[in-house]
Amino acid sequence: EAGVAQSPRYKIIEKRQSVAFWCNPISGHATLYWYQQILGQGPKLLIQFQNNGVVDDSQLPKDRFSAERLKGVDSTLKIQPAKLEDSAVYLCASSFNGDSGSPLHFGNGTRLTVT
Amino acid sequence: SQKIEQNSEALNIQEGKTATLTCNYTNYSPAYLQWYRQDPGRGPVFLLLIRENEKEKRKERLKVTFDTTLKQSLFHITASQPADSATYLCAYTGGGNKLTFGTGTQLKVEL
Repeated sequence: EAGVAQSPRYKIIEKRQSVAFWCNPISGHATLYWYQQILGQGPKLLIQFQNNGVVDDSQLPKDRFSAERLKGVDSTLKIQPAKLEDSAVYLCASSFNGDSGSPLHFGNGTRLTVT
Repeated sequence: SQKIEQNSEALNIQEGKTATLTCNYTNYSPAYLQWYRQDPGRGPVFLLLIRENEKEKRKERLKVTFDTTLKQSLFHITASQPADSATYLCAYTGGGNKLTFGTGTQLKVEL
């Protein structure tokens, strides 16, 4: 099966600019996640979708971050305006149904550098 | 609030030895603990899941234990190889089926 696809792989922007990341999950996976991973830390959940509805966005900085999952398949994560502290790897993951025991399948992430 | 802690210091071991990585949690026993492997520049890859009522789970050279008394999970790699060098992350499922990760422990297997 094809894995989780993310693009772009790398992005460099200046602070206050905007940026968008794209994710295509594994076919048939109902649950989609966006994680932020700062260097040397574990991934931190930003937002979780079940189909096209938001399950958890409690750690999403909603004044600058937004995400959508149209038609319950692909998803985009946007940052506007970016800050220096947003420099991180943004990981997209999907799971079959989001149950507690469902393993997550991750993409290889987008590395964002904000200068 | 629940915290999950992994040793932030890298673990260096010799090829052929057993690597043991530790994951501690602070409060309630999570229903599930998952272990992932992450290579540089790649996303985490799922390895094993263990349920609260399971003491031990095995998969090939990998073994995970779950001790609710000690509030700890141990991850073992037997007969370690240089190819096992990576960062290993543990994660627990909390409220709302939210998966929370530890900071990971870097393992380096030397010849």
